[in-house]
Amino acid sequence: DAGVIQSPRHEVTEMGQEVTLRCKPISGHDYLFWYRQTMMRGLELLIYFNNNVPIDDSGMPEDRFSAKMPNASFSTLKIQPSEPRDSAVYFCASSFGLAGVNEQFFGPGTRLTVL
Amino acid sequence: GENVEQHPSTLSVQEGDSAVIKCTYSDSASNYFPWYKQELGKGPQLIIDIRSNVGEKKDQRIAVTLNKTAKHFSLHITETQPEDSAVYFCAASMDQRGGSYKLIFGSGTRLLVRP
Repeated sequence: DAGVIQSPRHEVTEMGQEVTLRCKPISGHDYLFWYRQTMMRGLELLIYFNNNVPIDDSGMPEDRFSAKMPNASFSTLKIQPSEPRDSAVYFCASSFGLAGVNEQFFGPGTRLTVL
Repeated sequence: GENVEQHPSTLSVQEGDSAVIKCTYSDSASNYFPWYKQELGKGPQLIIDIRSNVGEKKDQRIAVTLNKTAKHFSLHITETQPEDSAVYFCAASMDQRGGSYKLIFGSGTRLLVRP
Protein backbone atom coordinates (compact mmCIF):
# COMPACT_ATOMS: atom_id res chain seq x y z
CA ASP A 1 0.00 0.00 0.00
CA ALA A 2 1.22 3.50 -0.81
CA GLY A 3 0.15 4.87 2.52
CA VAL A 4 -1.98 7.96 3.04
CA ILE A 5 -1.76 10.24 0.02
CA GLN A 6 -2.22 13.99 0.24
CA SER A 7 -2.29 16.64 -2.43
CA PRO A 8 -1.02 19.16 -3.08
CA ARG A 9 2.17 18.94 -1.02
CA HIS A 10 2.59 22.68 -1.09
CA GLU A 11 0.02 25.41 -1.66
CA VAL A 12 0.62 29.13 -1.79
CA THR A 13 -2.42 31.34 -2.16
CA GLU A 14 -3.58 34.85 -1.50
CA MET A 15 -5.88 35.90 1.27
CA GLY A 16 -9.51 35.50 0.33
CA GLN A 17 -8.97 32.64 -2.08
CA GLU A 18 -10.53 29.21 -1.69
CA VAL A 19 -8.19 26.36 -0.83
CA THR A 20 -8.98 22.66 -1.19
CA LEU A 21 -6.77 19.99 0.33
CA ARG A 22 -7.19 16.38 -0.69
CA CYS A 23 -6.59 13.05 0.99
CA LYS A 24 -6.73 9.41 0.04
CA PRO A 25 -6.66 7.13 3.10
CA ILE A 26 -5.18 3.66 3.27
CA SER A 27 -7.52 1.14 1.68
CA GLY A 28 -9.64 -0.65 4.27
CA HIS A 29 -9.25 1.96 6.97
CA ASP A 30 -12.53 3.13 8.44
CA TYR A 31 -11.39 6.27 10.26
CA LEU A 32 -10.02 9.43 8.67
CA PHE A 33 -8.60 12.41 10.55
CA TRP A 34 -7.62 15.94 9.56
CA TYR A 35 -4.97 17.66 11.70
CA ARG A 36 -3.35 21.08 11.59
CA GLN A 37 0.21 21.66 12.79
CA THR A 38 1.63 25.05 13.73
CA MET A 39 4.52 26.12 15.91
CA MET A 40 2.20 27.94 18.27
CA ARG A 41 -0.54 25.36 18.70
CA GLY A 42 1.20 22.10 17.87
CA LEU A 43 -0.79 19.23 16.35
CA GLU A 44 -4.52 19.86 16.55
CA LEU A 45 -7.32 17.54 15.49
CA LEU A 46 -9.76 19.40 13.27
CA ILE A 47 -12.30 16.72 12.37
CA TYR A 48 -12.59 12.98 12.02
CA PHE A 49 -14.81 10.60 10.08
CA ASN A 50 -15.92 7.03 10.70
CA ASN A 51 -17.16 5.16 7.64
CA ASN A 52 -17.41 8.47 5.77
CA VAL A 53 -19.59 10.09 8.46
CA PRO A 54 -18.24 13.09 10.41
CA ILE A 55 -18.05 12.16 14.09
CA ASP A 56 -16.41 15.12 15.77
CA ASP A 57 -15.80 18.49 14.13
CA SER A 58 -15.29 20.42 17.36
CA GLY A 59 -11.73 21.24 16.31
CA MET A 60 -12.74 23.06 13.14
CA PRO A 61 -11.74 26.63 13.87
CA GLU A 62 -14.65 28.43 12.23
CA ASP A 63 -17.21 28.31 9.48
CA ARG A 64 -14.59 29.06 6.86
CA PHE A 65 -13.43 25.46 7.26
CA SER A 66 -15.39 22.52 5.91
CA ALA A 67 -14.57 18.87 5.31
CA LYS A 68 -16.24 16.15 3.30
CA MET A 69 -15.77 12.48 2.73
CA PRO A 70 -17.92 11.45 -0.24
CA ASN A 71 -16.57 7.89 -0.26
CA ALA A 72 -14.19 5.60 1.58
CA SER A 73 -11.21 6.55 -0.54
CA PHE A 74 -11.38 10.34 -0.68
CA SER A 75 -11.73 13.33 1.60
CA THR A 76 -11.34 17.08 1.19
CA LEU A 77 -10.68 19.94 3.57
CA LYS A 78 -11.76 23.29 2.22
CA ILE A 79 -10.99 26.79 3.49
CA GLN A 80 -13.08 29.59 2.07
CA PRO A 81 -12.07 32.37 2.29
CA SER A 82 -8.49 31.72 3.37
CA GLU A 83 -6.64 34.02 5.78
CA PRO A 84 -2.92 34.39 6.62
CA ARG A 85 -3.50 32.79 10.04
CA ASP A 86 -4.55 29.59 8.26
CA SER A 87 -0.93 29.08 7.19
CA ALA A 88 0.13 25.71 8.60
CA VAL A 89 0.87 22.13 7.67
CA TYR A 90 -2.31 20.10 7.31
CA PHE A 91 -2.10 16.36 7.84
CA CYS A 92 -4.55 13.66 6.95
CA ALA A 93 -4.37 10.37 8.84
CA SER A 94 -6.30 7.12 8.74
CA SER A 95 -6.74 4.14 11.02
CA PHE A 96 -8.50 0.82 11.18
CA GLY A 97 -10.68 0.29 14.21
CA LEU A 98 -11.75 2.41 17.10
CA ALA A 99 -10.42 5.93 16.86
CA GLY A 100 -7.89 6.95 19.46
CA VAL A 101 -6.89 3.42 20.48
CA ASN A 102 -5.36 2.20 17.26
CA GLU A 103 -2.39 3.34 15.22
CA GLN A 104 -3.03 6.34 13.03
CA PHE A 105 -1.10 6.49 9.77
CA PHE A 106 -0.25 10.02 8.71
CA GLY A 107 0.19 11.37 5.23
CA PRO A 108 3.13 13.60 4.27
CA GLY A 109 1.10 16.75 4.84
CA THR A 110 0.19 19.83 2.82
CA ARG A 111 2.12 22.99 3.64
CA LEU A 112 -0.28 25.89 3.17
CA THR A 113 0.91 29.47 2.93
CA VAL A 114 -1.68 32.23 2.73
CA LEU A 115 -0.22 35.58 1.74
CA GLY B 1 -11.12 17.97 28.47
CA GLU B 2 -7.84 16.13 28.17
CA ASN B 3 -4.59 18.05 28.43
CA VAL B 4 -1.20 16.55 27.66
CA GLU B 5 2.00 18.28 28.73
CA GLN B 6 5.36 17.24 27.35
CA HIS B 7 8.90 18.02 28.53
CA PRO B 8 11.49 18.98 27.57
CA SER B 9 10.77 20.95 24.42
CA THR B 10 14.32 20.39 23.17
CA LEU B 11 16.87 17.76 24.10
CA SER B 12 20.45 17.42 22.92
CA VAL B 13 22.43 14.28 23.70
CA GLN B 14 25.71 12.74 22.63
CA GLU B 15 25.52 9.71 20.37
CA GLY B 16 25.35 6.59 22.50
CA ASP B 17 23.76 8.32 25.48
CA SER B 18 20.16 7.81 26.59
CA ALA B 19 17.28 10.23 26.05
CA VAL B 20 14.17 10.52 28.18
CA ILE B 21 11.02 12.45 27.31
CA LYS B 22 8.20 12.84 29.82
CA CYS B 23 4.49 13.51 29.47
CA THR B 24 1.65 14.07 31.90
CA TYR B 25 -2.05 13.86 31.17
CA SER B 26 -5.16 15.04 32.94
CA ASP B 27 -7.97 12.61 32.05
CA SER B 28 -7.85 9.60 34.35
CA ALA B 29 -10.03 7.69 31.86
CA SER B 30 -7.30 7.78 29.19
CA ASN B 31 -6.17 4.27 28.37
CA TYR B 32 -4.00 4.48 25.27
CA PHE B 33 -0.68 6.32 25.04
CA PRO B 34 1.20 6.32 21.74
CA TRP B 35 4.47 7.99 20.84
CA TYR B 36 5.08 9.39 17.38
CA LYS B 37 8.30 10.40 15.65
CA GLN B 38 8.25 13.15 13.05
CA GLU B 39 11.19 13.63 10.73
CA LEU B 40 11.70 16.83 8.81
CA GLY B 41 9.17 17.24 6.02
CA LYS B 42 7.23 14.11 6.92
CA GLY B 43 4.13 13.17 8.84
CA PRO B 44 4.31 11.69 12.35
CA GLN B 45 4.93 7.96 12.53
CA LEU B 46 4.06 5.67 15.43
CA ILE B 47 7.13 4.22 17.13
CA ILE B 48 5.65 2.61 20.23
CA ASP B 49 2.45 2.64 22.24
CA ILE B 50 1.26 1.44 25.60
CA ARG B 51 -2.14 0.65 27.03
CA SER B 52 -3.29 1.22 30.57
CA ASN B 53 -3.15 -2.42 31.57
CA VAL B 54 0.62 -2.45 31.07
CA GLY B 55 3.27 -0.55 33.06
CA GLU B 56 6.17 -0.87 30.66
CA LYS B 57 6.80 -1.87 27.07
CA LYS B 58 10.07 -2.25 25.23
CA ASP B 59 11.01 -2.53 21.57
CA GLN B 60 14.75 -2.82 20.97
CA ARG B 61 16.27 0.54 21.98
CA ILE B 62 12.93 2.17 22.74
CA ALA B 63 10.87 1.74 25.90
CA VAL B 64 7.82 3.42 27.35
CA THR B 65 6.73 3.45 30.98
CA LEU B 66 3.32 4.36 32.33
CA ASN B 67 2.33 5.42 35.83
CA LYS B 68 -1.47 5.63 35.88
CA THR B 69 -1.63 6.74 39.50
CA ALA B 70 0.55 9.76 38.82
CA LYS B 71 -0.85 10.16 35.29
CA HIS B 72 2.47 10.33 33.56
CA PHE B 73 4.32 8.30 30.95
CA SER B 74 7.82 8.47 29.52
CA LEU B 75 9.76 7.52 26.42
CA HIS B 76 13.26 6.14 26.86
CA ILE B 77 15.70 5.81 23.98
CA THR B 78 18.95 4.02 24.75
CA GLU B 79 22.18 4.02 22.72
CA THR B 80 21.00 6.99 20.71
CA GLN B 81 22.06 7.32 17.08
CA PRO B 82 22.09 10.36 14.76
CA GLU B 83 19.07 8.95 12.92
CA ASP B 84 17.08 9.26 16.14
CA SER B 85 17.19 13.04 15.66
CA ALA B 86 13.59 14.15 15.09
CA VAL B 87 10.59 15.63 16.87
CA TYR B 88 8.82 13.23 19.21
CA PHE B 89 5.19 13.59 20.24
CA CYS B 90 3.37 11.84 23.04
CA ALA B 91 -0.39 11.49 22.96
CA ALA B 92 -3.22 10.30 25.16
CA SER B 93 -6.66 9.08 24.19
CA MET B 94 -9.64 11.12 25.30
CA ASP B 95 -12.97 9.42 25.79
CA GLN B 96 -15.68 10.86 23.59
CA ARG B 97 -19.38 10.34 23.79
CA GLY B 98 -20.67 7.14 22.26
CA GLY B 99 -17.58 5.05 23.00
CA SER B 100 -15.19 6.65 20.55
CA TYR B 101 -11.92 8.32 21.39
CA LYS B 102 -9.61 10.91 19.97
CA LEU B 103 -5.93 11.53 20.54
CA ILE B 104 -4.64 14.63 22.29
CA PHE B 105 -1.02 15.32 21.41
CA GLY B 106 1.71 16.87 23.50
CA SER B 107 3.61 19.87 22.21
CA GLY B 108 6.59 17.84 20.98
CA THR B 109 10.26 17.38 21.88
CA ARG B 110 12.98 18.17 19.39
CA LEU B 111 15.73 15.59 19.94
CA LEU B 112 19.19 16.22 18.56
CA VAL B 113 21.76 13.44 18.72
CA ARG B 114 25.28 14.82 18.30
CA PRO B 115 27.71 12.51 16.48
